Amino acid sequence: AQRVTQPEKLLSVFKGAPVELKCNYSYSGSPELFWYVQYSRQRLQLLLRHISRESIKGFTADLNKGETSFHLKKPFAQEEDSAMYYCALRGNFNKFYFGSGTKLNVKP
Amino acid sequence: GAVVSQHPSWVICKSGTSVKIECRSLDFQATTMFWYRQFPKQSLMLMATSNEGSKATYEQGVEKDKFLINHASLTLSTLTVTSAHPEDSSFYICSAREQLGTSTGEQFFGPGTRLTVL
Repeated sequence: AQRVTQPEKLLSVFKGAPVELKCNYSYSGSPELFWYVQYSRQRLQLLLRHISRESIKGFTADLNKGETSFHLKKPFAQEEDSAMYYCALRGNFNKFYFGSGTKLNVKP
Repeated sequence: GAVVSQHPSWVICKSGTSVKIECRSLDFQATTMFWYRQFPKQSLMLMATSNEGSKATYEQGVEKDKFLINHASLTLSTLTVTSAHPEDSSFYICSAREQLGTSTGEQFFGPGTRLTVL
Protein backbone atom coordinates (compact mmCIF):
# COMPACT_ATOMS: atom_id res chain seq x y z
CA ALA A 1 0.00 0.00 0.00
CA GLN A 2 1.09 3.54 -0.58
CA ARG A 3 2.20 5.63 2.34
CA VAL A 4 3.88 8.99 2.81
CA THR A 5 5.69 9.72 6.05
CA GLN A 6 6.82 13.09 7.32
CA PRO A 7 8.50 12.42 10.66
CA GLU A 8 8.69 16.01 11.85
CA LYS A 9 5.54 17.82 12.87
CA LEU A 10 7.39 21.04 13.58
CA LEU A 11 10.68 22.38 12.39
CA SER A 12 12.01 25.67 13.74
CA VAL A 13 15.05 27.36 12.25
CA PHE A 14 16.54 30.81 12.25
CA LYS A 15 16.48 33.01 9.19
CA GLY A 16 19.41 32.21 6.94
CA ALA A 17 19.85 28.69 8.26
CA PRO A 18 19.56 25.65 6.00
CA VAL A 19 16.30 23.73 6.02
CA GLU A 20 15.53 20.10 5.29
CA LEU A 21 12.01 18.74 5.55
CA LYS A 22 12.01 14.98 5.47
CA CYS A 23 9.67 12.80 3.45
CA ASN A 24 9.75 9.05 2.99
CA TYR A 25 7.35 7.00 0.97
CA SER A 26 6.34 3.45 0.24
CA TYR A 27 4.84 2.55 -3.10
CA SER A 28 5.04 -0.56 -5.19
CA GLY A 29 5.05 1.19 -8.54
CA SER A 30 7.02 4.05 -10.02
CA PRO A 31 6.26 7.01 -7.79
CA GLU A 32 5.55 10.60 -8.60
CA LEU A 33 6.32 12.81 -5.65
CA PHE A 34 5.24 16.34 -4.93
CA TRP A 35 5.65 18.99 -2.28
CA TYR A 36 2.69 21.19 -1.46
CA VAL A 37 2.75 24.28 0.74
CA GLN A 38 -0.01 25.94 2.71
CA TYR A 39 0.65 29.44 3.94
CA SER A 40 -1.35 30.83 6.80
CA ARG A 41 -5.03 31.20 5.88
CA GLN A 42 -4.40 30.18 2.30
CA ARG A 43 -5.23 27.09 0.31
CA LEU A 44 -2.88 24.28 -0.49
CA GLN A 45 -0.69 24.95 -3.50
CA LEU A 46 1.89 23.06 -5.43
CA LEU A 47 5.48 23.90 -4.59
CA LEU A 48 7.37 21.48 -6.77
CA ARG A 49 7.26 18.04 -8.31
CA HIS A 50 10.11 15.62 -8.74
CA ILE A 51 9.69 15.11 -12.46
CA SER A 52 10.31 18.79 -13.10
CA ARG A 53 13.62 18.81 -11.26
CA GLU A 54 13.17 22.52 -10.72
CA SER A 55 13.91 24.93 -7.93
CA ILE A 56 10.99 26.97 -6.66
CA LYS A 57 11.52 29.79 -4.19
CA GLY A 58 14.95 28.36 -3.54
CA PHE A 59 13.59 24.94 -2.59
CA THR A 60 14.75 21.73 -4.21
CA ALA A 61 13.88 18.10 -3.69
CA ASP A 62 15.55 15.03 -5.10
CA LEU A 63 13.85 11.70 -5.40
CA ASN A 64 16.04 8.97 -3.92
CA LYS A 65 14.53 5.66 -4.88
CA GLY A 66 17.11 3.70 -2.94
CA GLU A 67 16.17 5.41 0.29
CA THR A 68 12.55 5.98 -0.81
CA SER A 69 12.89 9.60 0.16
CA PHE A 70 11.99 12.97 -1.28
CA HIS A 71 13.37 15.47 1.19
CA LEU A 72 12.76 19.18 0.64
CA LYS A 73 15.76 21.44 1.05
CA LYS A 74 16.61 25.11 1.05
CA PRO A 75 20.08 26.44 1.82
CA PHE A 76 18.98 29.71 3.43
CA ALA A 77 15.55 29.90 5.01
CA GLN A 78 13.53 33.11 4.88
CA GLU A 79 10.79 34.24 7.24
CA GLU A 80 8.26 34.08 4.43
CA ASP A 81 8.95 30.35 4.12
CA SER A 82 7.05 29.76 7.34
CA ALA A 83 4.13 27.51 6.42
CA MET A 84 2.82 23.96 6.46
CA TYR A 85 4.54 21.67 4.00
CA TYR A 86 3.00 18.46 2.75
CA CYS A 87 4.74 15.74 0.84
CA ALA A 88 2.45 13.87 -1.54
CA LEU A 89 2.59 10.83 -3.75
CA ARG A 90 0.54 10.31 -6.85
CA GLY A 91 -0.44 6.70 -7.13
CA ASN A 92 -2.73 4.64 -9.29
CA PHE A 93 -5.67 6.37 -10.97
CA ASN A 94 -3.99 9.72 -10.25
CA LYS A 95 -4.93 9.58 -6.58
CA PHE A 96 -2.88 11.71 -4.25
CA TYR A 97 -1.73 10.53 -0.85
CA PHE A 98 -0.41 13.08 1.58
CA GLY A 99 1.97 12.95 4.47
CA SER A 100 0.96 14.37 7.82
CA GLY A 101 2.68 17.65 7.15
CA THR A 102 5.54 19.58 8.70
CA LYS A 103 5.11 23.04 10.07
CA LEU A 104 8.14 25.16 9.25
CA ASN A 105 8.75 28.12 11.50
CA VAL A 106 11.50 30.47 10.43
CA LYS A 107 12.51 32.77 13.24
CA PRO A 108 13.98 36.23 12.66
CA GLY B 1 -3.37 29.77 -12.32
CA ALA B 2 -6.58 27.77 -12.26
CA VAL B 3 -9.03 28.46 -9.46
CA VAL B 4 -11.18 26.04 -7.52
CA SER B 5 -13.93 27.35 -5.27
CA GLN B 6 -15.91 25.70 -2.52
CA HIS B 7 -19.24 26.69 -1.08
CA PRO B 8 -19.99 27.16 1.70
CA SER B 9 -16.72 28.01 3.39
CA TRP B 10 -18.17 26.98 6.73
CA VAL B 11 -21.40 25.44 7.90
CA ILE B 12 -22.94 24.52 11.22
CA CYS B 13 -25.76 22.03 11.28
CA LYS B 14 -27.76 19.94 13.70
CA SER B 15 -27.14 16.26 14.13
CA GLY B 16 -29.26 14.22 11.74
CA THR B 17 -29.45 16.79 8.98
CA SER B 18 -27.73 16.62 5.60
CA VAL B 19 -25.23 19.12 4.29
CA LYS B 20 -24.18 19.71 0.71
CA ILE B 21 -20.77 21.11 -0.21
CA GLU B 22 -20.05 22.36 -3.71
CA CYS B 23 -16.72 22.32 -5.50
CA ARG B 24 -16.31 24.30 -8.70
CA SER B 25 -13.48 24.71 -11.16
CA LEU B 26 -13.87 28.31 -12.23
CA ASP B 27 -11.76 28.63 -15.34
CA PHE B 28 -11.02 25.12 -16.51
CA GLN B 29 -12.76 21.85 -17.06
CA ALA B 30 -12.11 19.11 -14.57
CA THR B 31 -12.97 15.59 -15.55
CA THR B 32 -11.75 14.43 -12.18
CA MET B 33 -12.21 15.98 -8.78
CA PHE B 34 -11.05 14.64 -5.45
CA TRP B 35 -12.56 15.00 -2.00
CA TYR B 36 -10.38 15.07 1.08
CA ARG B 37 -11.02 15.27 4.77
CA GLN B 38 -8.63 16.93 7.17
CA PHE B 39 -8.77 16.57 10.92
CA PRO B 40 -7.14 19.21 13.11
CA LYS B 41 -3.36 19.12 12.86
CA GLN B 42 -3.51 16.08 10.64
CA SER B 43 -2.99 15.43 6.99
CA LEU B 44 -5.46 15.36 4.14
CA MET B 45 -7.13 12.01 3.82
CA LEU B 46 -8.44 11.10 0.39
CA MET B 47 -12.10 10.18 0.65
CA ALA B 48 -13.15 9.65 -2.92
CA THR B 49 -12.43 10.36 -6.55
CA SER B 50 -15.22 12.01 -8.47
CA ASN B 51 -15.40 11.42 -12.19
CA GLU B 52 -17.65 13.49 -14.40
CA GLY B 53 -20.61 11.50 -15.61
CA SER B 54 -19.87 8.37 -13.63
CA LYS B 55 -19.98 7.05 -10.11
CA ALA B 56 -17.42 8.18 -7.62
CA THR B 57 -14.85 5.73 -6.36
CA TYR B 58 -14.43 5.68 -2.62
CA GLU B 59 -11.38 4.92 -0.55
CA GLN B 60 -11.43 2.02 1.82
CA GLY B 61 -13.30 2.82 5.00
CA VAL B 62 -15.32 5.69 3.54
CA GLU B 63 -19.06 5.06 3.57
CA LYS B 64 -20.50 5.81 0.16
CA ASP B 65 -24.02 6.08 1.53
CA LYS B 66 -22.84 8.56 4.11
CA PHE B 67 -20.85 10.76 1.77
CA LEU B 68 -22.74 11.13 -1.48
CA ILE B 69 -20.75 12.52 -4.36
CA ASN B 70 -22.16 13.83 -7.59
CA HIS B 71 -20.11 15.13 -10.51
CA ALA B 72 -22.77 16.26 -12.92
CA SER B 73 -20.70 18.63 -15.03
CA LEU B 74 -17.10 19.32 -15.93
CA THR B 75 -16.97 22.20 -13.50
CA LEU B 76 -19.03 21.05 -10.52
CA SER B 77 -18.82 18.26 -7.99
CA THR B 78 -20.89 18.06 -4.82
CA LEU B 79 -20.36 16.20 -1.57
CA THR B 80 -23.42 15.59 0.58
CA VAL B 81 -22.89 14.49 4.14
CA THR B 82 -26.08 12.64 4.95
CA SER B 83 -27.52 12.36 8.45
CA ALA B 84 -24.55 14.20 9.84
CA HIS B 85 -23.23 13.42 13.30
CA PRO B 86 -20.73 15.26 15.47
CA GLU B 87 -17.96 12.88 14.41
CA ASP B 88 -18.42 14.11 10.84
CA SER B 89 -17.23 17.53 11.93
CA SER B 90 -14.10 18.21 9.93
CA PHE B 91 -12.48 20.29 7.24
CA TYR B 92 -13.46 19.06 3.78
CA ILE B 93 -11.26 20.00 0.84
CA CYS B 94 -11.79 19.34 -2.82
CA SER B 95 -9.32 19.44 -5.63
CA ALA B 96 -9.71 19.45 -9.37
CA ARG B 97 -7.32 18.12 -11.92
CA GLU B 98 -6.98 19.87 -15.21
CA GLN B 99 -6.98 17.50 -18.13
CA LEU B 100 -4.67 18.63 -20.88
CA GLY B 101 -5.18 16.39 -23.84
CA THR B 102 -3.53 13.11 -23.04
CA SER B 103 -1.33 14.53 -20.32
CA THR B 104 -2.24 14.82 -16.69
CA GLY B 105 -2.46 18.38 -15.50
CA GLU B 106 -1.78 19.89 -12.15
CA GLN B 107 -4.14 19.41 -9.24
CA PHE B 108 -5.68 22.60 -7.83
CA PHE B 109 -7.18 22.81 -4.39
CA GLY B 110 -10.24 24.56 -3.11
CA PRO B 111 -10.09 26.63 0.07
CA GLY B 112 -11.95 24.02 2.09
CA THR B 113 -15.25 23.86 3.97
CA ARG B 114 -15.40 23.73 7.74
CA LEU B 115 -18.30 21.53 8.86
CA THR B 116 -19.43 21.57 12.46
CA VAL B 117 -22.20 19.22 13.50
CA LEU B 118 -23.86 20.03 16.80
